Amino acid sequence: NAGVTQTPKFQVLKTGQSMTLQCAQDMNHNSMYWYRQDPGMGLRLIYYSASEGTTDKGEVPNGYNVSRLNKREFSLRLESAAPSQTSVYFCASSPRTGAGNTIYFGEGSWLTVV
Amino acid sequence: KQEVTQIPAALSVPEGENLVLNCSFTDSAIYNLQWFRQDPGKGLTSLLLIQSSQREQTSGRLNASLDKSSGRSTLYIAASQPGDSATYLCAVGGNQFYFGTGTSLTVIP
Repeated sequence: NAGVTQTPKFQVLKTGQSMTLQCAQDMNHNSMYWYRQDPGMGLRLIYYSASEGTTDKGEVPNGYNVSRLNKREFSLRLESAAPSQTSVYFCASSPRTGAGNTIYFGEGSWLTVV
Repeated sequence: KQEVTQIPAALSVPEGENLVLNCSFTDSAIYNLQWFRQDPGKGLTSLLLIQSSQREQTSGRLNASLDKSSGRSTLYIAASQPGDSATYLCAVGGNQFYFGTGTSLTVIP
């Protein structure tokens, strides 16, 4: 029972490099999310996709792009990484946005930008 | 914008003690409130989900309450155990989920 799977688990990037974080869920959920977690800041929403074919900005979208490839997959891309993007990134999914939803998380991706 | 606050930021208790974690939020127009547990280096695991129409939910030794009008929720843990040591986060659900910064709980054997 995989749930939400995200890769890679750990990554070190140099400033200016690009990379894509991959996320897939096998629960047939409509909505998917990317969060970052920083000490003292809690989880902050970067982008979300309420349903296949749609994406919306969250609280901290600058420096990121997303693609909802299909219902299962939602990727997060850093085009030109900056040290301020050093963080733990979590992908999550829920049956839909709004009422009555439980949100399920992946194990996280630790990204360091040097 | 919804603001979610969790107090205290850290809590240390002896094994067997009952304890309460607090979560407050600024906008009462919510769909639900969810409590999570996060172990070091891991993702978030859902503990309890309270719908906006509900007052409380229980699972084993855990009981979560919700008072929408006052913008508060509590997570009660009975007879705490060392295995309960983790960070506990609350999330308020509307069209998005808004998270508190968590309470780091240590249960001392």
